[in-house]
Amino acid sequence: DAMVIQNPRYQVTQFGKPVTLSCSQTLNHNVMYWYQQKSSQAPKLLFHYYDKDFNNEADTPDNFQSRRPNTSFCFLDIRSPGLGDAAMYLCATSRDSGGGWTQYFGPGTRLLVL
Amino acid sequence: GQQLNQSPQSMFIQEGEDVSMNCTSSSIFNTWLWYKQDPGEGPVLLIALYKAGELTSNGRLTAQFGITRKDSFLNISASIPSDVGIYFCAGLPMNRDDKIIFGKGTRLHILP
Repeated sequence: DAMVIQNPRYQVTQFGKPVTLSCSQTLNHNVMYWYQQKSSQAPKLLFHYYDKDFNNEADTPDNFQSRRPNTSFCFLDIRSPGLGDAAMYLCATSRDSGGGWTQYFGPGTRLLVL
Repeated sequence: GQQLNQSPQSMFIQEGEDVSMNCTSSSIFNTWLWYKQDPGEGPVLLIALYKAGELTSNGRLTAQFGITRKDSFLNISASIPSDVGIYFCAGLPMNRDDKIIFGKGTRLHILP
């Protein structure tokens, strides 16, 4: 029944060691989003894909990259994680017709940087 | 920029009490969304509102899209322990449907 799936749920990495988080969806939505959420804060949008078109938020650090090889999958790459990148990373999807662009979230990946 | 003011920031209530929270903005939104987030989990959509004045229920939850399109409220009736969590309102701005704006959340605590 899971519609937006994120793997892994928990990820531990070392300072400066690249890490990749993955997201897949069974909703066939054409828009996929990556958010960063720190404790007790609202999710912060990093970037999103509208089909294959990549849209970066102006304040997203260059250290964060994303790939979307097909409709179902999207990846978040953190090239050189710093201690400040420890957070919950949320993937979400929406469609651009009907449903008012309502976003559906995955369960998140909690990243710990040692 | 566009901001949502969500209140209250936190609530402490007794089990069985009704709860009310709201979001306001100076900007117009096309859609209002209410999410609940449990610790260590992603936000779960509770109610989506698409038309000004719309009143929608989901079990013990009721939410309304304000007539001015600048506000929304969420009510929870007869609260139970599993209602504990953080509730986020979110709006889709009129000029940019692909990006939602989040409120800062309302943290609900239920006293035994």
